[in-house]
Amino acid sequence: IVLTQSPATLSLSPGERATLSCRASRSVASNCLAWFQHKPGQAPRLLIYGASNRATDIPDRFSGSVSGTDFTLTITRLEPEDSAMYYCQQYAKSPGTFGLGTKVEI
Amino acid sequence: VEVVESGGGLVQPGRSLRLSCRTSGFIFGDYAVNWVRQAPGKGLEWVGFIRYRGYGGTTEYAASVEGRFTISRDDSKGIADLQMNSLRSEDTAVYYCARARNFGHIGLMDYWGRGTLVTVSS
Repeated sequence: IVLTQSPATLSLSPGERATLSCRASRSVASNCLAWFQHKPGQAPRLLIYGASNRATDIPDRFSGSVSGTDFTLTITRLEPEDSAMYYCQQYAKSPGTFGLGTKVEI
Repeated sequence: VEVVESGGGLVQPGRSLRLSCRTSGFIFGDYAVNWVRQAPGKGLEWVGFIRYRGYGGTTEYAASVEGRFTISRDDSKGIADLQMNSLRSEDTAVYYCARARNFGHIGLMDYWGRGTLVTVSS
């Protein structure tokens, strides 16, 4: 399954909303799709799993949705600390593919 | 929950290296383990995983490492290893270990380490 993320880069101001897209080349069984936040030198952080479920301790500013093979991560009320790379990843099949990522600059 | 990778370093092409993933704070045997890497300036690439013992402890790998890399686990110590043989320059990357809940096929990676750098160069 190929995951295509867009845009490659998103430059926004604090308080704005970010909308990140991840399109799958075919159906992702049981919506087994996750979103990760990754900052340089840090461990990747799970944000969303099952397309729309927030992981533990993730603020409600982060939300995920799905329509068919189109997955979306929305971040509202952007904060400077949200600057990072964001990756979608499917865990429904092997190999467990990642998208190429979206860089969010605040 | 703590996940810590170790064992990275500089290695010549064609040689071997063994990475370790040490965990604590949870029942290691109840979870799968995935390895993921990130080459310089690139995105995340899935390397392979090992199922938890209840699912047979079997392994699957990305095509790029199949036959060269082997993942093993020691549930009594909470450790998973990545044995890398016949290393190539394109294996240069930061290698991450991730605990995986038994969802989907390869598991949901919910806790990751900070990674260990492997550089393959002569």
